[in-house]
Amino acid sequence: DTAVSQTPKYLVTQMGNDKSIKCEQNLGHDTMYWYKQDSKKFLKIMFSYNNKELIINETVPNRFSPKSPDKAHLNLHINSLELGDSAVYFCASTSSGAPLHFGNGTRLTVT
Amino acid sequence: AQKVTQAQTEISVVEKEDVTLDCVYETRDTTYYLFWYKQPPSGELVFLIRRNSFDEQNEISGRYSWNFQKSTSSFNFTITASQVVDSAVYFCALSEAADDKIIFGKGTRLHILP
Repeated sequence: DTAVSQTPKYLVTQMGNDKSIKCEQNLGHDTMYWYKQDSKKFLKIMFSYNNKELIINETVPNRFSPKSPDKAHLNLHINSLELGDSAVYFCASTSSGAPLHFGNGTRLTVT
Repeated sequence: AQKVTQAQTEISVVEKEDVTLDCVYETRDTTYYLFWYKQPPSGELVFLIRRNSFDEQNEISGRYSWNFQKSTSSFNFTITASQVVDSAVYFCALSEAADDKIIFGKGTRLHILP
């Protein structure tokens, strides 16, 4: 009965490949996010969707494309992976003003 | 634009000491929310507290306490009688009521030494 689940937990891939990370929440929240945490632990917002609609897009390269088939799912597809994309990616969900509930993160390593 | 500053990058204290983690925020909104999260070495992000801008009461939860001061735009976090298990990175975060954007400070890495 995990609240926010993201898969895979680890992802190792080569430069130039395309990969996806999936996220699902069973909390009934309206808003979902993707955050990127770099090696210095900085947590930076990438995207936010509210009820399947994109509401925040924080100057992320267009190689990153989020997709929300319904309000319980927010997937992240990354094209042409680069070394600098290596990070931990966190999915999160909330309803207005409430705390963010985070998934356990996906550690992406690009070699 | 909203901003969160955690000036302390890293703190080390000996077990049983008290320690305060500072958080200063900037916002133009009168209605906003402040949060603290803990990220232990295992990597998950654990919610600790949420405070809205109209509630300046300080909060205590066991060994944890929070001091919210609008006059100085600060929301500081104190751990009393620290324990080794408190070692983690702690993040302060802010969201404005006008949107759902929640931004984080750069985190403070806390080491509790046995």
